[in-house]
This record gives sequence, structure tokens and C-alpha cells, in this order.
Amino acid sequence: EVQLVDSGGGLVKPGESLRLSCAASGFSFSTYSMNWVRQAPGKGLEWVSSISGSSSYMYYADPVKGRFTISRDNAKNSLFLQMNSLRAEDTAVYYCARGRAGTTAVPDYWGQGTLVTVSS
Amino acid sequence: DIQMTQSPSTLSASVGDRVTITCRASQSVSTWLAWYQQNPGKAPKLLIYKASTLETGVPSRFSGSGSGTDFTLTISGLQPDDFATYYCQQYSSYSSFGQGTKLEIK
Repeated sequence: EVQLVDSGGGLVKPGESLRLSCAASGFSFSTYSMNWVRQAPGKGLEWVSSISGSSSYMYYADPVKGRFTISRDNAKNSLFLQMNSLRAEDTAVYYCARGRAGTTAVPDYWGQGTLVTVSS
Repeated sequence: DIQMTQSPSTLSASVGDRVTITCRASQSVSTWLAWYQQNPGKAPKLLIYKASTLETGVPSRFSGSGSGTDFTLTISGLQPDDFATYYCQQYSSYSSFGQGTKLEIK
């Protein structure tokens, strides 16, 4: 069974950093692209970042480019999102999601989400 | 950036109804379009990809169509579990989602 478990969220002040993690199981992690998608409270979905299975390609949404870094450790079946210079508008539930086979940015399995709150 | 616009924002319907949600892209995305269903407090669920291909396990009452800039999601014979929020997503150029359509019980 495919499982994705998000963790690392919390309350931080503007300008601070946070690192999210996603533990994957039940599939061959290294052969799938992975994504981070966020959802601000009461708002819609927003794609954040994607990474290919071998980490050869990484993509970012404009609002987080230069501040967030996606990475993965295929030996540990783990996905990460390093978030620096956090802003109030980064407050959201962050989901890790597996890219459907053959497509990078079409998530077919999602984690439960982890809440990041940026507030002074 | 490609902007995705869904209509309507809210839709009221009854069990058994047939409903259609529209998604328009600011530029052509060919058929690189997906649809998701999300219930409150839950992660989204993939319904359709490549505009019209049903994800495994998704009931056949869900269907998608369109290409270029205009797309539709149709649900035939609404079931109680179908009342949720629906999102379209383009993945032609990176990725972006529509703002969502909330399907409510009339």
C-alpha cells in the first residue's frame, strides 16, 4: 500500500526557516517524481515544487523560487522541502504527493498534510 | 504563467443530477489537464488526467473532456459522496490549479 507521511510543520516567525519531510513507503520511491502542493486556510490548491526521481530536475512556483529547496534521499525513501525566509503568505497545509507514473506533476497519492503557520 | 479559471465557483445540485464544471486555461495546455476531488480536511483525490482518462478505481459516472483551453468535468447521477470541492490542474507548463468549484447539496 502506498503511504506518504508528512511532518515538520509548525509555528515560525516571519524570516525564519523550516524543513518539511515526507516518508514514503509501499512503492519504488526512486522511480517516481515527487511534489509539494500547499493549501492556505480556506483557499485552493497551489503547486509549490516538483523533483524528478533521480533529482536531475527540480521545478518551483514563482512565489517560492529562491527561498524553498526541494530534495530527496532515495536511500531513505524521503522527500524534503527546505523553506527559508518564510512569509505570512506561506501559511498553509503542505502536502507531499507522488507524481503519477509518466507524469511529473500529476499527484496520484498524497500525504495527510502538515500545517505551517508563519506569524509573529 | 498559465492561469486556470473554473466556473461556477459554487454549484447546487441534488442526488441523481447530472452536473458539469468548466475549466478554462489562459493559453493552450493541449490535453495536459487533470481533475481532483477534495473533501473538507482531506487530501485531494485524482479523478481524471490527460483531460479524459479516468484514474483507476474512479467511478465511471465521472468523465472529462476538452482540449486546448476549454475543459469540462461531468458527473452523471450524483451520489452523496460526490458533494465536495473539485479542482482542475494544468501540467503543460509546470503546474497550476483552478480556484475550485464547491458542489453543494440543493
